[in-house]
Parts: sequence; C-alpha cells; structure tokens
Amino acid sequence: AQSVTQLDSHVSVSEGTPVLLRCNYSSSYSPSLFWYVQHPNKGLQLLLKYTSAATLVKGINGFEAEFKKSETSFHLTKPSAHMSDAAEYFCVFRNFGNEKLTFGTGTRLTIIP
Amino acid sequence: DTGVSQNPRHKITKRGQNVTFRCDPISEHNRLYWYRQTLGQGPEFLTYFQNEAQLEKSRLLSDRFSAERPKGSFSTLEIQRTEQGDSAMYLCASGATGGISSYGYTFGSGTRLTVV
Repeated sequence: AQSVTQLDSHVSVSEGTPVLLRCNYSSSYSPSLFWYVQHPNKGLQLLLKYTSAATLVKGINGFEAEFKKSETSFHLTKPSAHMSDAAEYFCVFRNFGNEKLTFGTGTRLTIIP
Repeated sequence: DTGVSQNPRHKITKRGQNVTFRCDPISEHNRLYWYRQTLGQGPEFLTYFQNEAQLEKSRLLSDRFSAERPKGSFSTLEIQRTEQGDSAMYLCASGATGGISSYGYTFGSGTRLTVV
C-alpha cells in the first residue's frame, strides 16, 4: 500500500535545540509529500511541500525537509525550537494524478522551556 | 480572503438524528474537499468536488453520508441516522485548479461532532 509512516508519536525537545520529526513513505511512483501542522483548536496549516523539484524544501517558520529517495524518507527539521512550535505535525502523501491526501498518524511536538 | 469557514464549530446530537455541516471555501477556489479526523489519528479523505461535480468518494462515505456543492460555492455534508462511531472532527479544505501540487490546500478549523 502506498502511504506514509511517522516514526514517533511524541517528540520532546528543549527550547532552542534542534527539532527532527521523522517520516518514511511507501510508493511505487514519485510522490508528492507535505508536512502540515495543527495547533489546538485551529485548522491544518501547510508547512512545506515536495513535488519532485528540489529535494531540500524550505517551509515557513524556519522548517525544512529533505526528500531522500534512497531512504524513502522525508524528515522535518528545524535548527532551533521555539515555544510556539508546540503542536501536532502530520506527514502527508499524495500519489501522482490523485487529489486525495493520505495523512500519517501524527507526531506531537512538545517544547520544554 | 477570509479563509475556509466551517459551521457549526461544534455539534452534539443524539444517536439516530440527522446532522448537516456547512463549508464555505475561499471564493476563488474551485476544488473542495472533506476529511474526517478521529481522536489521535490523522485526517482521512472522504470526498472532493471540482466546481459542483463530486469527482471522488471514499469507501468511508457510507450510504448515510451525502455531500453536495450545488452551485460550486459552499458545500454541505449530511449524516443521516448518526451513530456513535460518527463522532469526529469533520474538516473541509479548498484549493484552486492546478491542485495541491501548485497551491496546497487551505483547511478550515473543522466541525467537531459528538454523538451521544
């Protein structure tokens, strides 16, 4: 089945330290991949997207992700965590020619002051 | 651009009752999507429209569910004879032609349904 797997359900980091949220994908084709963030009681917000252009994708709020075909990964990183980064993060997959988004199960990011 | 608007924000209903949710997309967006998110899970695709045409439906969308977008603007999602398993957050998103590869979706804040 074509999908995404988020390897950690919960990640805690101290404020000012790097963030790494891991995502692996499974696809027979070159997929489109996205990261979305969901703050409590707010809608999903697109952080960044990969659509077969540059493999290193820069997003909003200092986040970036690298598409690694050899590792079938699309991990999300940020050099320095901020308290406002605390939220649920979803890795999302879309197959070529398909409008449907397939979401991972989410990673809850907690920032320790 | 006021974003994607969903109403109501919360709905509590008794099992067996019918409920209807509304989604107002961003005005220039011709594509509209419905997703369902249960507690602790990522959103799951239900259906999508291009203008007024419903182009894809998930097998999750049982016969008790119906979605419409009569004039290609707002959309409604109706659940008939609600069951406790229907309790979830129902999310609407909109996008422009060119799809999500070009523009990404814009999601609304959702309608949280509780069936008691």
